[in-house]
Amino acid sequence: EAGVTQFPSHSVIEKGQTVTLRCDPISGHDNLYWYRRVMGKEIKFLLHFVKESKQDESGMPNNRFLAERTGGTYSTLKVQPAELEDSGVYFCASSQDGGISYNEQFFGPGTRLTVL
Amino acid sequence: AQKITQTQPGMFVQEKEAVTLDCTYDTSDPSYGLFWYKQPSSGEMIFLIYQGSYDQQNATEGRYSLNFQKARKSANLVISASQLGDSAMYFCAMREAGYSSASKIIFGSGTRLSIRP
Repeated sequence: EAGVTQFPSHSVIEKGQTVTLRCDPISGHDNLYWYRRVMGKEIKFLLHFVKESKQDESGMPNNRFLAERTGGTYSTLKVQPAELEDSGVYFCASSQDGGISYNEQFFGPGTRLTVL
Repeated sequence: AQKITQTQPGMFVQEKEAVTLDCTYDTSDPSYGLFWYKQPSSGEMIFLIYQGSYDQQNATEGRYSLNFQKARKSANLVISASQLGDSAMYFCAMREAGYSSASKIIFGSGTRLSIRP
């Protein structure tokens, strides 16, 4: 079974440009999460999808970030326009709908974004 | 507000020795879950172990065990018989709101563990 995949693995762009990150969750996982780790800081939650709906987007830093999950499958995270402080590693994770039982979030390999 | 604290930014340990990575947490929710993730140099996040707040026994997974001290709000990771492949970044994390998988995870700042041959 394929794990969570992310594309691209690395992206280098200039300030002001637009970048779109993609995440393909594990097949059948309703929950999809985006996190990011800015250099030297903790991994921070960005948002959470349940199928195609945004369940929690409290971690989105500002309106330059737009996340979508078309049809409840893959998700994209667009940064427009990118700023220097957006540099970091963006992780995607997915989990099943576990109800009240423990349920692991499976992480993708991350996309390393560098804004010059 | 919930918070995870890892006070050891880096550790060096001799191969085959046991190592304890410290983690303390803060939450007002009586139901929560605690995790440890490993991030090797390749970058992926690997789940290691989970402890639920109502679990009576400390969690164990192979060479990994979680020393859960609820009153002290501590969830230290113990790795027995360390191996060179254990060299990585280790993150302690917490999920609130019961055992629901819908809750976001809060991460600590991480501890970089280096195993010496």
